[in-house]
Amino acid sequence: EPEVTQTPSHQVTQMGQEVILRCVPISNHLYFYWYRQILGQKVEFLVSFYNNEISEKSEIFDDQFSVERPDGSNFTLKIRSTKLEDSAMYFCASSEIGSRSTDTQYFGPGTRLTVL
Amino acid sequence: SQQGEEDPQALSIQEGENATMNCSYKTSINNLQWYRQNSGRGLVHLILIRSNEREKHSGRLRVTLDTSKKSSSLLITASRAADTASYFCATDAKNTGFQKLVFGTGTRLLVSP
Repeated sequence: EPEVTQTPSHQVTQMGQEVILRCVPISNHLYFYWYRQILGQKVEFLVSFYNNEISEKSEIFDDQFSVERPDGSNFTLKIRSTKLEDSAMYFCASSEIGSRSTDTQYFGPGTRLTVL
Repeated sequence: SQQGEEDPQALSIQEGENATMNCSYKTSINNLQWYRQNSGRGLVHLILIRSNEREKHSGRLRVTLDTSKKSSSLLITASRAADTASYFCATDAKNTGFQKLVFGTGTRLLVSP
């Protein structure tokens, strides 16, 4: 069964460093998303991406964040200068283009980002 | 309460018993989805119910949706130890341009053998 994959599973970085989190969405899906979950808190929407551009982003997704689809398969989230509060599990998700009422989002296993 | 609040926050039952989790939300929705998360792991999609549906089944899962009360419930019948996980509801609100899921706080389910 097709699935969303993410690499790395765990990333440790120093405050102020740049990190790139990678995702391979399900191959026939056209909508891509990033969410994050700070330990013990809710899963929060960060950004959605369609047709090579951001469709919607949350208040969390400030200028430190960017997303890119560098080729036909990968979808990346870059954090330019990490802060301690960026420590979280980051989930990539994808969905087929279709009816808003029936479109299921499939999530990857997540990348745990630890900022020291 | 916030969009997507589950109750109870935690539920502890014995294998074979049924588990019921509830979710409330605030805005009009296109659909509501339930996900499972094993400790520290990814989100596994369980079931999607459309706003014009009232009940849906998938294996041992039964989901109901009451849009007049803005609430949903997830019933797991004949629970197993492997069902131990956190369960989240997620809503796709109608007032957004593109689908973005708003997750609830989750219910932590513990099923003891």
